[in-house]
Amino acid sequence: SAVISQKPSRDICQRGTSLTIQCQVDSQVTMMFWYRQQPGQSLTLIATANQGSEATYESGFVIDKFPISRPNLTFSTLTVSNMSPEDSSIYLCSVAAGGYQETQYFGPGTRLLVL
Amino acid sequence: GESVGLHLPTLSVQEGDNSIINCAYSNSASDYFIWYKQESGKGPQFIIDIRSNMDKRQGQRVTVLLNKTVKHLSLQIAATQPGDSAVYFCAENPPSGNMLTFGGGTRLMVKP
Repeated sequence: SAVISQKPSRDICQRGTSLTIQCQVDSQVTMMFWYRQQPGQSLTLIATANQGSEATYESGFVIDKFPISRPNLTFSTLTVSNMSPEDSSIYLCSVAAGGYQETQYFGPGTRLLVL
Repeated sequence: GESVGLHLPTLSVQEGDNSIINCAYSNSASDYFIWYKQESGKGPQFIIDIRSNMDKRQGQRVTVLLNKTVKHLSLQIAATQPGDSAVYFCAENPPSGNMLTFGGGTRLMVKP
């Protein structure tokens, strides 16, 4: 499986500010995803990061709040914009090789606390 | 500390016993299923997967059972060890692509 890293690993931010989270993979992957995991809860898919085109967002998530970049096959960023305390969560990226129903592997997560 | 798992159902087992973690999935059309283990402070780690053309798959100390009739998935861990303590999530993948939907999770606590 691919080795996935995320930066930062954790951060404490003030409301109204924005934070960009980076996800780096050690090999080229077709598919990259961003998830949110709110305290004590399961994972919810935010969007699929598409290389060379706009991300595909799930219901309840919008580009203005969570802009995503995917400049190449090994890197993606997720920005959490105009943060509020409700955005305090773990943000996880995952990757899949790209075949049909390939297993997704997850990064270590970014733990965000908004004050 | 990590807040993952604080409000999830908890299964408490004695070290050395077998553990069974259950999951009800939602989409009868889902045809690929994955179990993940999430330890405190870490991302979910792949444990085992199963496709809908199977009803049982075994790994090292783990077995996944799939009952499509009642949309039920279970993860069996043999000879549970303290290192198995974590939150376990099932995930389903419908045939439309690679989008995973995660179950609510179960926290496994292993008593020495």
